[in-house]
Amino acid sequence: NAGVMQNPRHLVRRRGQEARLRCSPMKGHSHVYWYRQLPEEGLKFMVYLQKENIIDESGMPKERFSAEFPKEGPSILRIQQVVRGDSAAYFCASSTDRANTGELFFGEGSRLTVL
Amino acid sequence: SQQGEEDPQALSIQEGENATMNCSYKTSINNLQWYRQNSGRGLVHLILIRSNEREKHSGRLRVTLDTSKKSSSLLITASRAADTASYFCATAGLIQGAQKLVFGQGTRLTINP
Repeated sequence: NAGVMQNPRHLVRRRGQEARLRCSPMKGHSHVYWYRQLPEEGLKFMVYLQKENIIDESGMPKERFSAEFPKEGPSILRIQQVVRGDSAAYFCASSTDRANTGELFFGEGSRLTVL
Repeated sequence: SQQGEEDPQALSIQEGENATMNCSYKTSINNLQWYRQNSGRGLVHLILIRSNEREKHSGRLRVTLDTSKKSSSLLITASRAADTASYFCATAGLIQGAQKLVFGQGTRLTINP
């Protein structure tokens, strides 16, 4: 049973380009969470999705960031017109139920570098 | 903010010693969880303690929870070099709709051989 799969593991973009980060949750998991981590810091919540629904996007910047979790396929975190401040590690986590009832399973992260 | 705060931010001890990390939070919780992160890797779940529990053990790990003080501690006994990592506490909210885990800043633990 494969764990949470994220790709790409490393992504380099120039300012103004788009970044697309993909996350395949563990088999049987229908809850997906995206977090952002700056160096030497903790994880900051971005968005919580269930299949075809955004449940909580209170941590998402109002502009340039979007997320989806379609009926088929991986969850996508999309960052348009990237800026240097977007450089960070982006982690996806999945669970069988809501996070306030059980543990999250994390992927290895996607590290975005904006030049 | 519900965010947990770990203390200390960094801890360096000798192999074989015990390591204690503390976490404080601000709002009512459903449960509190501890995670470990090795450098450059994802987070790995260590232990979950529910709001009606006071202590929990898992191997060399011991977690306590004091809801009156809104604090938790993680004790790693007989530390090993392989325990070197960052440790994060995360709280799961109690109120309706608070369905995300909120992480603290973490404690960077270094075990010296």
